[in-house]
Amino acid sequence: SAVISQKPSRDICQRGTSLTIQCQVDSQVTMMFWYRQQPGQSLTLIATANQGSEATYESGFVIDKFPISRPNLTFSTLTVSNMSPEDSSIYLCSVESQSYGYTFGSGTRLTVV
Amino acid sequence: AQSVTQPDIHITVSEGASLELRCNYSYGATPYLFWYVQSPGQGLQLLLKYFSGDTLVQGIKGFEAEFKRSQSSFNLRKPSVHWSDAAEYFCAVGAGAGKSTFGDGTTLTVKP
Repeated sequence: SAVISQKPSRDICQRGTSLTIQCQVDSQVTMMFWYRQQPGQSLTLIATANQGSEATYESGFVIDKFPISRPNLTFSTLTVSNMSPEDSSIYLCSVESQSYGYTFGSGTRLTVV
Repeated sequence: AQSVTQPDIHITVSEGASLELRCNYSYGATPYLFWYVQSPGQGLQLLLKYFSGDTLVQGIKGFEAEFKRSQSSFNLRKPSVHWSDAAEYFCAVGAGAGKSTFGDGTTLTVKP
């Protein structure tokens, strides 16, 4: 399966600021996915990122709050904008690689103070 | 819409004992089903997946799961639990293309 490098692994940010999370894959993949895991909860899909087109957002998530870039087939970024304490979560990227392998990055643990 | 229910929030087993984690799903067609494990402070690791074919699926770390269409279940099993298996386990159903719906997770504690 694909190997994903996600960074930063953790950060503590001031409210009102923005953080950009990077996800690098060691092989070309068509789709990349961004998930959020709020404290003590399960994963929720934020958006699907395809190369060369705008990301597709799930209900409850908007581009202004979570802008996503997908400049090529191995890289994507998720920005958490104008952060508030409610954005404190683990953010994970995921890819669907060859042979129906689904791989997750190690996650970014974000704390907003 | 697809959904996943993991009825057990927390399970405690003794080391060496057998384990079964329950997962029930709701989906209109033949689902893609997954089990992931998340150790504290870590990302998710795929244990096993079911797409089609043999309903008993073997995964990594000695885990297996059985797809039962009649019961809409995909329970995870391990015959002998190790202390290192203590983690949170997530069942997920996918519509394909990587978009998965996750259950709320089951936290496994292993007693020495």
